[in-house]
Amino acid sequence: QSALTQPASVSGSPGQSITISCTGTSSNVGTYNLVSWYQQHPAKAPKFMIYEDNKRPSGVSNRFSGSKSGNTASLTISGLQAEDEAHYYCCSYAGSNTWVFGGGTKLTVL
Amino acid sequence: QITLKESGPPLVKPTQTLTLTCTFSGFSLYTSGVGVGWVRQPPGKALEWLALIYWDDDKYYSPSLRNRLTITKDTSKNEVVFTMTDMDPVDTATYYCTHSFEGVLVPFDYWGQGALVTVSS
Repeated sequence: QSALTQPASVSGSPGQSITISCTGTSSNVGTYNLVSWYQQHPAKAPKFMIYEDNKRPSGVSNRFSGSKSGNTASLTISGLQAEDEAHYYCCSYAGSNTWVFGGGTKLTVL
Repeated sequence: QITLKESGPPLVKPTQTLTLTCTFSGFSLYTSGVGVGWVRQPPGKALEWLALIYWDDDKYYSPSLRNRLTITKDTSKNEVVFTMTDMDPVDTATYYCTHSFEGVLVPFDYWGQGALVTVSS
């Protein structure tokens, strides 16, 4: 199982929108509608942000949205805020009750 | 509310076996669809899924680490125990305990604070 591919870093100014991509294969992202996204601030545990490709758990801001096309999933953050600066990880179900994470993306709010 | 907490040794020697316990509250492993799993993160690196146990005692492991991992549960005590054999310095990481719901649909929706484990002689 290879890790999903994410850009190492993205950046944006307050108020702007950014998108983080997550590329997998037909064995994971492309087959299952089961991509999830996690936000991690320094020295903190990850926080659950998106599941089943595009669903938001209760309490997560609607500025966060997920989408998918083929083997690539995406996380979009609109109206960027300083508190959004963090690492973001995608995760996909890979069949047979196994999961694979992405390499992580550091979001910098300029 | 759902909480999870990892406990175990902060330091293990190479070749030793690591044993971590996840103690949780706010949910039960008697409940259909519920799972408890483990994810690790080496310092400055990405998350890696390790293992998951479901309410029905089905167990699943990372294919690359399967032969070193064991996960068990004590439902009455609200505990899940994770072991990893033959520890190596590359296994130095923060180990997180996680909650999952509705089988594979809602993975890792709650996380423990993490336990840093260093492998060194």
